[in-house]
Amino acid sequence: EDQVTQSPEALRLQEGESSSLNCSYTVSGLRGLFWYRQDPGKGPEFLFTLYSAGEEKEKERLKATLTKKESFLHITAPKPEDSATYLCAVQEGAGGTSYGKLTFGQGTILTVHP
Amino acid sequence: KAGVTQTPRYLIKTRGQQVTLSCSPISGHRSVSWYQQTPGQGLQFLFEYFSETQRNKGNFPGRFSGRQFSNSRSEMNVSTLELGDSALYLCASSSSLTSQETQYFGPGTRLLVL
Repeated sequence: EDQVTQSPEALRLQEGESSSLNCSYTVSGLRGLFWYRQDPGKGPEFLFTLYSAGEEKEKERLKATLTKKESFLHITAPKPEDSATYLCAVQEGAGGTSYGKLTFGQGTILTVHP
Repeated sequence: KAGVTQTPRYLIKTRGQQVTLSCSPISGHRSVSWYQQTPGQGLQFLFEYFSETQRNKGNFPGRFSGRQFSNSRSEMNVSTLELGDSALYLCASSSSLTSQETQYFGPGTRLLVL
């Protein structure tokens, strides 16, 4: 069964203090790994999709990387508006049981203090 | 392009009642997935529909059901509500035209069962 573990559960940073969030996964054939941001009371907002080990994607202060066992979300010089819960999810690439199904980690709650 | 919309945004029901939630996907998207989000279990996959057919189903009891219409809009129904069904219900749509199945989420329907 697919498993996704995110660490740390919560992270407090000062504005400008760079850090990384980790997502470890176990899946039978990876179709894709997804990062989302979720603000309280809202639906997850799509950030990145990664498909193969070695792939990297960047958007503003965020950079996502992927290996065969884990993904990192690097946050460079964060601002208070980056405070949110960051969710990692995987989609298995093994046919029918994978259709439309994302398996999510529990998320990392990021708080950035001014 | 308009995003995924969900109605209603909030619902209060009592135990034993049933509820129907609605989801309109992004224009052109034919796949709709439903998830339940609770503080204890996180985001869990309910089911996925594509071209009016359920292609995949998560580990939820038969009280949870859904359907999709020819215009790709989807509904989910929960019968005989239990207190534990209180949650944020999220739907997500994807184009499902290629292997790049990024899912885009709606704002969710907050269901409270009393």
